[in-house]
Amino acid sequence: KQEVTQIPAALSVPEGENLVLNCSFTDSAIYNLQWFRQDPGKGLTSLLLIQSSQREQTSGRLNASLDKSSGRSTLYIAASQPGDSATYLCAVRGGSNYKLTFGKGTLLTVNP
Amino acid sequence: KAGVTQTPRYLIKTRGQQVTLSCSPISGHRSVSWYQQTPGQGLQFLFEYFSETQRNKGNFPGRFSGRQFSNSRSEMNVSTLELGDSALYLCASSLGPNSGNTIYFGEGSWLTVV
Repeated sequence: KQEVTQIPAALSVPEGENLVLNCSFTDSAIYNLQWFRQDPGKGLTSLLLIQSSQREQTSGRLNASLDKSSGRSTLYIAASQPGDSATYLCAVRGGSNYKLTFGKGTLLTVNP
Repeated sequence: KAGVTQTPRYLIKTRGQQVTLSCSPISGHRSVSWYQQTPGQGLQFLFEYFSETQRNKGNFPGRFSGRQFSNSRSEMNVSTLELGDSALYLCASSLGPNSGNTIYFGEGSWLTVV
């Protein structure tokens, strides 16, 4: 059974700092990994999708990496801003039924 | 292009009642999945539909059911509501169940059971 863990559960940083969020998964037989952002009381917004054959994806100030063999992914946020404050979740898709398994998220607070 | 639309956004029900939630996927998307989100359990997969057929089902009791219509719109139903069913119910859509497709979420339906 796939398990996804995100560390830390919460993170508070000053504005302008570069930061890394971590995601680990137990079964490396995945098809892809997706990072999402969730604002309070809202749905999830897709940030980056990394296919299993890829090592990283970039979008603006965000860079996500994937090391499938070690079961790890990181989301790097450069020059953080207060507007980046949200919960960040990673999800892996795997198995014969393409099931999507989510981590519990990292609550990020960027202080002005 | 309209996103995933879920209705109603908020609702309050009494224990023992039933509830139906609706989801309209992004135009052209044929795969719809449902998730339950609670503070303690996080996001848990309920079921996934593609072309009106349930492809996958999570570990939820039979009180939770769903269906998909020919226009890809989906509904989920919870019967005999329990206090523990209080949660944010999220619907997501994608082009299809193919592994390479990005999944897009709606804003969710907040269900409170009293």
